[in-house]
Amino acid sequence: EVQLVESGGGLFQPGRSLRLSCVASGFRFDDYAMHWVRQIPGKGLEWVSGMSWNSATKGYADSVKGRFTISRDNAKNSLYLQMNNLRTEDTAWYYCTKDILTYYGSGTYYDGWGQGTLVNVSS
Amino acid sequence: DIQMTQSPSSLSASVGDRVTITCRASQTISSFLSWYHQRPGKVPKLLIYDISRLRSEDPSRFSGSGSGTVFTLTISSLQPEDFGTYFCQQSYDTPYTFGQGTKLEIK
Repeated sequence: EVQLVESGGGLFQPGRSLRLSCVASGFRFDDYAMHWVRQIPGKGLEWVSGMSWNSATKGYADSVKGRFTISRDNAKNSLYLQMNNLRTEDTAWYYCTKDILTYYGSGTYYDGWGQGTLVNVSS
Repeated sequence: DIQMTQSPSSLSASVGDRVTITCRASQTISSFLSWYHQRPGKVPKLLIYDISRLRSEDPSRFSGSGSGTVFTLTISSLQPEDFGTYFCQQSYDTPYTFGQGTKLEIK
């Protein structure tokens, strides 16, 4: 069974930095692309960033480009999201998701979701 | 960015009803269209991908169809556990955008 456990959320001031982590189990982590998807409580979903199995290709939503950095450590079955220069509009639940594909690109779908970690950006 | 627009935004239906939700893309997205189901307080779950491919563990009352820019999710006979919010998503081009969601309530 796919298990994804996120951590690193909390209350942060605007302009600060944080790193989210996601530890995966129940599948061969280095066989799949991985993503971060966020959801403002009670609202819709927004894809944030994704990365191929080997870190070779990655992408970001325009709203986070230049501020967020996705990375992974296959030896540790872990996915990360470095979030810099936080804004109040970054407040959301952040979900680590598993792709059904190995590569990052068209046809990406998320067949595994963590429980999420809540990031609250407020002064 | 490709805009995804769902209709209706909400609906109420009875057990046994046939329910259809529509998702329109602002440009053609080939076959890269998926549907997710989210129950209150739970995380989203992939339901259908590549327009019409149903996951093996999901009941056959769910089906997807469409092409080009207009896609539909159909529930042939609504069950109590089908309540919640349904989201469509395109994965044709980044950013991989979602529809705003359709909230389904059981009468």
